[in-house]
Amino acid sequence: SQQGEEDPQALSIQEGENATMNCSYKTSINNLQWYRQNSGRGLVHLILIRSNEREKHSGRLRVTLDTSKKSSSLLITASRAADTASYFCATALIQGAQKLVFGQGTRLTINP
Amino acid sequence: DTGVSQNPRHKITKRGQNVTFRCDPISEHNRLYWYRQTLGQGPEFLTYFQNEAQLEKSRLLSDRFSAERPKGSFSTLEIQRTEQGDSAMYLCASSLGGTGGTKNIQYFGAGTRLSVL
Repeated sequence: SQQGEEDPQALSIQEGENATMNCSYKTSINNLQWYRQNSGRGLVHLILIRSNEREKHSGRLRVTLDTSKKSSSLLITASRAADTASYFCATALIQGAQKLVFGQGTRLTINP
Repeated sequence: DTGVSQNPRHKITKRGQNVTFRCDPISEHNRLYWYRQTLGQGPEFLTYFQNEAQLEKSRLLSDRFSAERPKGSFSTLEIQRTEQGDSAMYLCASSLGGTGGTKNIQYFGAGTRLSVL
């Protein structure tokens, strides 16, 4: 079974607006990663945040991590049509753990 | 192309047939992973290799599934006696491995979509 739960399951916004997606998980983690997947394609790594970090930025992406609440959020600012995709959070559970445990994803649609 | 390569991209087979998928990881990556993804779900871990050694297998990997990485480079995933429930996207990923979070970033291939009729 999957560890993470993502909220919302689907999100539809207008181009230029900000999009926020949330992820919750159940056990202690080493790091949390966000991936993007365009329909029918492989996953593209977006950003990794370690368990001792609280916030990280990469371009228009901002990720926060609250280990006390076992939750993370991904903010995409100034959204573009090309951001339309599914977004997944994935947790690496223990130090040096090899497998990623994915949530069910958020389907983001950016309307022009 | 220096990314993860998977072949074939699509496979249609009849129930009961055997299928084999291939994954070529990024060349300097020691770790290779297989995941399975069904429609509307996130990927689920199947198995993982460190060089040629298969170090972890999910309980999702039934006896009909076998994976190899004979020389620590490419990997194959074979499904014997396919069932309709095996229909899914099979994703391969690779990583450098080692300490440090960025060395454990997994880079994914485009996947092999299996349809069992």
